[in-house]
Amino acid sequence: NAGVTQTPKFRILKIGQSMTLQCTQDMNHNYMYWYRQDPGMGLKLIYYSVGAGITDKGEVPNGYNVSRSTTEDFPLRLELAAPSQTSVYFCASSEGQAPGNFGPGTRLTVT
Amino acid sequence: GENVEQHPSTLSVQEGDSAVIKCTYSDSASNYFPWYKQELGKRPQLIIDIRSNVGEKKDQRIAVTLNKTAKHFSLHITETQPEDSAVYFCAASKFQGAQKLVFGQGTRLTINP
Repeated sequence: NAGVTQTPKFRILKIGQSMTLQCTQDMNHNYMYWYRQDPGMGLKLIYYSVGAGITDKGEVPNGYNVSRSTTEDFPLRLELAAPSQTSVYFCASSEGQAPGNFGPGTRLTVT
Repeated sequence: GENVEQHPSTLSVQEGDSAVIKCTYSDSASNYFPWYKQELGKRPQLIIDIRSNVGEKKDQRIAVTLNKTAKHFSLHITETQPEDSAVYFCAASKFQGAQKLVFGQGTRLTINP
């Protein structure tokens, strides 16, 4: 099993550009999450999903959108990138307990 | 909403000694408390978790204790080893399906040989 995979690993965006961060898991987990981690800080929940077709906002959803058309995929869309979105983004999955399977992360810089 | 405070922000201990990291939470309805370890440049790893119907849980050299009345919980690492050096995060949530965890700010633990 590959676990949770994320692409890309690194990305530099200009202010106002858009992009999609990809996340795929092969463990058939129902629950999937997107977190951001700013330097020296804990993780903050952006969006989560309890199954295909069902998503909901987390703590810091503004400026982001998600979709969950399949159990495996949970892409995160950034529209009109801003410097405040410079962060490391982690996707995770679980089956009801705490997210225990994290992807390797995407380091995003908005300049 | 929930607020989680974590102390200390940095902790340095001699190899073989014990380390204790403490967290407090604000929402008395929170009932699930996981701990994560994150090595530099790596993804977070879930190392132990506890639910509010349990006061203590152990897994080899790691233990977590919970005081619901005082709304605080702690991570205890005994017989520390160099590979325990990392940033540790506590988190809290209401255990109901998807875990909408609120994280503490992290503790950078350094084990000195």
